[in-house]
Amino acid sequence: QVQLQESGPGLVKPSGTLSLTCAVSGGSISSSNWWSWVRQPPGKGLEWIGEIYHSGSTNYNPSLKSRVTISVDKSKNQFSLKLSSVTAADTAVYYCAREIAAASNWFDPWGQGTLVTVSS
Amino acid sequence: SSELTQDPAVSVALGQTVRITCQGDSLRSYYASWYQQKPGQAPVLVIYGKNNRPSGIPDRFSGSSSGNTASLTITGAQAEDEADYYCNSRDSSGNHAVFGGGTQLTVL
Repeated sequence: QVQLQESGPGLVKPSGTLSLTCAVSGGSISSSNWWSWVRQPPGKGLEWIGEIYHSGSTNYNPSLKSRVTISVDKSKNQFSLKLSSVTAADTAVYYCAREIAAASNWFDPWGQGTLVTVSS
Repeated sequence: SSELTQDPAVSVALGQTVRITCQGDSLRSYYASWYQQKPGQAPVLVIYGKNNRPSGIPDRFSGSSSGNTASLTITGAQAEDEADYYCNSRDSSGNHAVFGGGTQLTVL
C-alpha cells in the first residue's frame, strides 16, 4: 500500500523559504493520481495548499499562489513544497497526501505530518 | 474563508445517531469526502464519492448528499468516534480543493 513521509526543517526564519519533501513508497508517483500538500495551524482547521500531477501540472490555493511552488521528482518518487516569504502565520503541521480524482476527489493516504515553526 | 461550511461542534449520546453536515454551492456538482482526525494524528478518510467507505472503516459511517448539503451520519456512535470531522470537495471552479472548517464531535 502507498505510504507517504514528509521531511524537512522544523524551524524556518521569518521572510525565509519553507521547503518540504514528501517521499512516496509502495507505489509510483507516476500513477494516475494527484499529489497534494495540506496544512493545519495549531488548533485550527485544514487548509489545502496545492497539488501536482506527475506531468508537472499544478493547481494552487489562490490565497497562497504567489508564494507556493510544488514540484515532482519522478526519479526519486517524491514531490516537494516551497513556500516563500514566510511569517508566523505559516506555522503549521504540513501534511502530504495522495489525491484521487474521479468524478469528485478525495485524499488517501496522508503522511504523518511535520510541524514547521516560523520564528527567529 | 472556507467555501464549505460546517457546524463547529456537535454532540451525541453514546449509541445514538448523529449527522454532521457540510454546506456549499460546489456540492451541487461534486460529492464531498469526509475525514476523521483525532488529537495529534493525521486525518483519516472515512467516506468518499457517493457513499463509499475505505477498507477498515466501520459500516456505522455513511454519507449522503442533497442539493448544496453533504452529510456524514454515524449510526450508533461509539466513544472512539469522538474526533474532529472535516468535509472536502472541489471549489465552484473545479480547479481547487477546499476543506470545511471542521466539526468537533463529542460522544456523551
